[in-house]
Amino acid sequence: GEDVEQSLFLSVREGDSSVINCTYTDSSSTYLYWYKQEPGAGLQLLTYIFSNMDMKQDQRLTVLLNKKDKHLSLRIADTQTGDSAIYFCAESPNSGYALNFGKGTSLLVTP
Amino acid sequence: DADVTQTPRNRITKTGKRIMLECSQTKGHDRMYWYRQDPGLGLRLIYYSFDVKDINKGEISDGYSVSRQAQAKFSLSLESAIPNQTALYFCATRDRKNTGELFFGEGSRLTVL
Repeated sequence: GEDVEQSLFLSVREGDSSVINCTYTDSSSTYLYWYKQEPGAGLQLLTYIFSNMDMKQDQRLTVLLNKKDKHLSLRIADTQTGDSAIYFCAESPNSGYALNFGKGTSLLVTP
Repeated sequence: DADVTQTPRNRITKTGKRIMLECSQTKGHDRMYWYRQDPGLGLRLIYYSFDVKDINKGEISDGYSVSRQAQAKFSLSLESAIPNQTALYFCATRDRKNTGELFFGEGSRLTVL
């Protein structure tokens, strides 16, 4: 099947902004999600955006959605060492039964 | 207590052995899923179930079977484990209403020697 694409690695300095990008495949997706996986743990929903929105802000997190290009991004402001984790982008196709996940972006925050 | 509980959390076994991973949930969701996570490959869907009488194959079901014993329980079996089934396995439930997000268990790390 088609893939949800995201870069595999990102390294930033503490205090800088992080931007993680994702391209998804199904324009009928109702919701798009960002999940966070800390070492040794399961995936936790970080934030989501409804498909009729362009932007969603939640404290240090900003999600941007470009439906024309099927591009989703997650910006983390003032990145902290505790933000080091794997971040997964996921789409929820209208016709689908499950979420389609990207391969995950490993974010490393250095002091 | 966790809403989605997986047992065991860690298991080491030998090639050819039968293994069962169990999942139980208290969220009251009817949809349950098993995913497998491998480094660099992300999450891949093994099986999913919409209710007790419903079982569906995902993209990588070969070598696996599942049982939905009750709405709250969904178990994954490896009838004859092989080394390339070494991975981190996640059970998840889905909220059909609201945002449709998945709720994940903490994962079961399986090593097949």
